Amino acid sequence: GENVEQHPSTLSVQEGDSAVIKCTYSDSASNYFPWYKQELGKRPQLIIDIRSNVGEKKDQRIAVTLNKTAKHFSLHITETQPEDSAVYFCAAGGGFKTIFGAGTRLFVKA
Amino acid sequence: DAGVIQSPRHEVTEMGQEVTLRCKPISGHNSLFWYRQTMMRGLELLIYFNNNVPIDDSGMPEDRFSAKMPNASFSTLKIQPSEPRDSAVYFCASSLGSGGVQETQYFGPGTRLLVL
Repeated sequence: GENVEQHPSTLSVQEGDSAVIKCTYSDSASNYFPWYKQELGKRPQLIIDIRSNVGEKKDQRIAVTLNKTAKHFSLHITETQPEDSAVYFCAAGGGFKTIFGAGTRLFVKA
Repeated sequence: DAGVIQSPRHEVTEMGQEVTLRCKPISGHNSLFWYRQTMMRGLELLIYFNNNVPIDDSGMPEDRFSAKMPNASFSTLKIQPSEPRDSAVYFCASSLGSGGVQETQYFGPGTRLLVL
């Protein structure tokens, strides 16, 4: 069945450094790739998404890249801040179904 | 818009009891999703509806779980009988979901279920 693998499971960076989270997906029909941020005790919230007709998208300190040939996509956070500490989920969607990765717990040390 | 509304926010029950979780999606959204989140298994899709019709319930763990969407503004997820391993946070999410085009999913605040 469809699968999304996400790495690393835990990531610790110093404030101001960059963080990169990588995901691979198995369903070649996937055409929508959102990233969600979940703070402790809160709901997942969309932070950025990318569709299959675009290779890269940027929103301030956050950027996502997509390589459809290799079936992988990545989240890049630059100039990390303590408030970026959270769990980040990647997902791959096609049709009505979205499959989520297992999540990456990001710690940003002040 | 109030966003996706879920109730109750917290539920503590005893093993064997029936549990009903409720969700009101964002008005105008055509797709509704039920997820379960645990530390061990992460975020799991249980079932999703489009235009009130269940499209895929392959994520429903077993017959003890059932979900309904009687109209566009209300859905329930029922567990009967409940077991301790059902303890988790259950999220409902909705999206525009028009014609197979992927849209952003908006999550509700979740229901934290504890089965003793």
